[in-house]
Amino acid sequence: DAKTTQPPSMDCAEGRAANLPCNHSTISGNEYVYWYRQIHSQGPQYIIHGLKNNETNEMASLIITEDRKSSTLILPHATLRDTAVYYCIVSLAGGGSNYKLTFGKGTLLTVNP
Amino acid sequence: NAGVMQNPRHLVRRRGQEARLRCSPMKGHSHVYWYRQLPEEGLKFMVYLQKENIIDESGMPKERFSAEFPKEGPSILRIQQVVRGDSAAYFCASSAKPLDTQYFGPGTRLTVL
Repeated sequence: DAKTTQPPSMDCAEGRAANLPCNHSTISGNEYVYWYRQIHSQGPQYIIHGLKNNETNEMASLIITEDRKSSTLILPHATLRDTAVYYCIVSLAGGGSNYKLTFGKGTLLTVNP
Repeated sequence: NAGVMQNPRHLVRRRGQEARLRCSPMKGHSHVYWYRQLPEEGLKFMVYLQKENIIDESGMPKERFSAEFPKEGPSILRIQQVVRGDSAAYFCASSAKPLDTQYFGPGTRLTVL
């Protein structure tokens, strides 16, 4: 079962920042937070992941709270092509056996013109 | 930048036929994961393979389904005697090391008539 909670849907205006929240209150100390997105039945696309510190790459920023019980994915300037289902996943990395990514229902982000 | 490749992208089979789905991992990746996405559902883990070894097939139905990743060539997911309930999108992912970030292919959409 997915160990994360996300809102089922969100809207965002084109050009604005999209902030997608995720609760993972039962996350353990060695679990990473991963974000993927799936654009209209295409294969899931990796976006970003992090453990404790905030992370940024060319696609997005990931803000993880100090207690690690929640995080926010930020798309700084959303475009129409960012319309997709966004999945927040907690997973072990570098150890253990939790290679099975558990995809919940995710958040359907709709970017409006 | 050759990503994960899957073929065919679309496959139509009649009940009772066999379906063979192929996955070529990213260059340098020797770990392959298969997931299934039923209509209107999230992705579910099926099997994890390394070259010539099945590491974990706990998510794969016990009957009719098999997977392999030979020393040479792509990973194959084989479904014998397909039934309508097998209609789904099948995605494979690959990683360089266990528990590294998984990168997904575009998927194979299987339709059973």
